[in-house]
Amino acid sequence: SQTIHQWPATLVQPVGSPLSLECTVEGTSNPNLYWYRQAAGRGLQLLFYSVGIGQISSEVPQNLSASRPQDRQFILSSKKLLLSDSGFYLCAWTGGGGTIYEQYFGPGTRLTVT
Amino acid sequence: SQKIEQNSEALNIQEGKTATLTCNYTNYSPAYLQWYRQDPGRGPVFLLLIRENEKEKRKERLKVTFDTTLKQSLFHITASQPADSATYLCAPSGSARQLTFGSGTQLTVLP
Repeated sequence: SQTIHQWPATLVQPVGSPLSLECTVEGTSNPNLYWYRQAAGRGLQLLFYSVGIGQISSEVPQNLSASRPQDRQFILSSKKLLLSDSGFYLCAWTGGGGTIYEQYFGPGTRLTVT
Repeated sequence: SQKIEQNSEALNIQEGKTATLTCNYTNYSPAYLQWYRQDPGRGPVFLLLIRENEKEKRKERLKVTFDTTLKQSLFHITASQPADSATYLCAPSGSARQLTFGSGTQLTVLP
């Protein structure tokens, strides 16, 4: 069966510090991968998605970036965090190939920028 | 621009009643629509998907309708239980690669 992992589960970082969040998927190949952010009491905001290694599409211009160095690994990064980057970061995957599939979400990372 | 509205931020109902949640969308024509459940501090969990050519879909105590003329989906939970308390998100989409989520309705089922 497929599983999706995210780490760390929680993170407290000072303003201006770098960020690296990691997401890995097991039990599937060539998935579409997604990064979302959810502010407190708000909906999900799509940040990035990837249909393959090295292929990243950005939905929201900001100080975040994403990379996909391996088929089942998706990384969210920042060189300098802002207070507004605080939130709940979720990674998700769905089947590749353009077929309509439901998305499966990881457990999330709670980021607090102080 | 595309807009998704879920009826109310919070909905309280009595145990055993039917909960009805509404999802309205404007400025696009999704080919399908998904509903997810999200518990506090956790990622959303997929519940149901309905396509534009389907009027209704059921799964156990859940029922979803999709009216492309009204640009609306209704999500029903029959015989509701306190364990059904959660935030429910709708996601109309025209693309297999991307979903756009509504902000959700927080449902509380009172014992």
